[in-house]
Amino acid sequence: GENVEQHPSTLSVQEGDSAVIKCTYSDSASNYFPWYKQELGKRPQLIIDIRSNVGEKKDQRIAVTLNKTAKHFSLHITETQPEDSAVYFCAASIVSGGYQKVTFGTGTKLQVIP
Amino acid sequence: ETGVTQSPTHLIKTRGQQVTLRCSSQSGHNTVSWYQQALGQGPQFIFQYYREEENGRGNFPPRFSGLQFPNYSSELNVNALELDDSALYLCASSLVGGTGSGNTIYFGEGSWLTVV
Repeated sequence: GENVEQHPSTLSVQEGDSAVIKCTYSDSASNYFPWYKQELGKRPQLIIDIRSNVGEKKDQRIAVTLNKTAKHFSLHITETQPEDSAVYFCAASIVSGGYQKVTFGTGTKLQVIP
Repeated sequence: ETGVTQSPTHLIKTRGQQVTLRCSSQSGHNTVSWYQQALGQGPQFIFQYYREEENGRGNFPPRFSGLQFPNYSSELNVNALELDDSALYLCASSLVGGTGSGNTIYFGEGSWLTVV
């Protein structure tokens, strides 16, 4: 089955700096890669996603890149703010007919220091 | 808000008991999946229901079972509860059909289950 590895497990940055989280996946059939932000005690919230036919996607301060050949994808947050502090999960998804399975990484705890 | 609602939000059960968790999917979505998230870990795929049938399961034993109803709402049932079943149970809905690239899934707020 699919295996998603995520690094680093914790990340501390100064406010205003950039943060980068990297993930690799094992199944070349994966074709959808969402990123979720989870605050303490809350549900995971989708912040950005990318499909396999796209190499890069940007939404304001957040960008995601995908390298299908190397089977890795990354989340980039620029101009970090204290409210960006949370746990971030990458995920890889396979769709086959009516079936979609999402495999999550182990999470990165991001701390933005004011 | 995602439009995915879950109940109950918190509950405490005793080892060996059974529990039923409920989920109403987002309007227009036809697929419901359930995830278990233990403290400090990422969500783990339990199973998915599409057109009222289970069509995919993760590495969970048969005592984890579910249902999807014609209105696309869903239940997760866990029998013979164990202490390790204590976790946040997340329901997620999506619109899936045919082949092609993946579809966005939206999570509910979750049900916190504590087994004592």
